Amino acid sequence: SQQGEEDPQALSIQEGENATMNCSYKTSINNLQWYRQNSGRGLVHLILIRSNEREKHSGRLRVTLDTSKKSSSLLITASRAADTASYFCATRDSGGSNYKLTFGKGTLLTVNP
Amino acid sequence: EAGVAQSPRYKIIEKRQSVAFWCNPISGHATLYWYQQILGQGPKLLIQFQNNGVVDDSQLPKDRFSAERLKGVDSTLKIQPAKLEDSAVYLCASSLYLQNTGELFFGEGSRLTVL
Repeated sequence: SQQGEEDPQALSIQEGENATMNCSYKTSINNLQWYRQNSGRGLVHLILIRSNEREKHSGRLRVTLDTSKKSSSLLITASRAADTASYFCATRDSGGSNYKLTFGKGTLLTVNP
Repeated sequence: EAGVAQSPRYKIIEKRQSVAFWCNPISGHATLYWYQQILGQGPKLLIQFQNNGVVDDSQLPKDRFSAERLKGVDSTLKIQPAKLEDSAVYLCASSLYLQNTGELFFGEGSRLTVL
């Protein structure tokens, strides 16, 4: 089963614009992670935010987490054509012993030059 | 540092045939994962190993899928017999150890087409 649900499913913007993707999840989490996947490639980790954090930055990426609403957002500022990819949120379970990482369905971002 | 290695990258088989995928994780990573990614969807966890023991295989279709990690290093995922709906990318990932809740490192994936 998939825990996270990204919104929107697809997003098309112009180079230089900001891109915002949202993720909602259902259960208690240890942390939430965002990954990028270029077409035909594996997933690459972008950023991790722990359940006791509210905001985190890494370069042009900004992630927020609202555990009361069970939601997160990923902001990519000043987008580039090279940012074109699918973006997935993934949640680490806080309960149980297997620390499962569960992915959402992803947002396909297209950045037009 | 070498990344997660997977082979083959592409495989085309007919339904009811068998196929095997191989994964070599990053050196020193105790936890290994196999995910199935159907076109247009997010990865779905099939099985998770800690060293050579299975931690979670609740979503592995055990009537046709099997996986092993005999020496706690590389791993093999087998499908026998394959069905049309098994067409997907099979992603292998690794992380330092089970209780490390950080990032996963993914391989490039093995794309399976079942005709």
